[in-house]
Amino acid sequence: DTAVSQTPKYLVTQMGNDKSIKCEQNLGHDTMYWYKQDSKKFLKIMFSYNNKELIINETVPNRFSPKSPDKAHLNLHINSLELGDSAVYFCASSQFAGQGYSPLHFGNGTRLTVT
Amino acid sequence: QQQVKQSPQSLIVQKGGIPIINCAYENTAFDYFPWYQQFPGKGPALLIAIRPDVSEKKEGRFTISFNKSAKQFSLHIMDSQPGDSATYFCAASGGTSYGKLTFGQGTILTVHP
Repeated sequence: DTAVSQTPKYLVTQMGNDKSIKCEQNLGHDTMYWYKQDSKKFLKIMFSYNNKELIINETVPNRFSPKSPDKAHLNLHINSLELGDSAVYFCASSQFAGQGYSPLHFGNGTRLTVT
Repeated sequence: QQQVKQSPQSLIVQKGGIPIINCAYENTAFDYFPWYQQFPGKGPALLIAIRPDVSEKKEGRFTISFNKSAKQFSLHIMDSQPGDSATYFCAASGGTSYGKLTFGQGTILTVHP
């Protein structure tokens, strides 16, 4: 069974479009995250939700909007896509990370290509 | 602002060699230092982690060395195998960061047979 699953795995779209990436975890974790990995493989956190509440919101354009319908799901919606949004987006989850020690479990990523 | 600096960017060793990857951090509030391993097309996976109350942690062929005064830590892979070829990321978190990991830039390791 896949612990953290993301769909779609690949997403190719044109500039200006709106797209969504879905994420689900079956680990019973309280906290979920979105990370962005750029072309140089650098990983940077975008958002974090704990029990559906937003707890980390890095400096991300407001075209990016996360939505957590329940603690097992965290979706990412992106409006007005730009070329610079091309990257691999990773969803992750952990037990409640109030002390920052809980290991992250990552999905296998969604490769977004904006043309 | 890059708070965790990782080197080298890439590393090539022969099977059986001992690759060493180094990381340095700036934020003294960091108190959790994991290493993640990523294979092509996959997400990063936790390999080993250390807290600053110990100077070394070993799990199988993987060892973390930690130097709190220098704010540096490193990953050693003993008896490296071709299957260890992957990208390795150091990371750090701490304080009230709620699991926010700050990652290093990554090291692409290639182990030749």
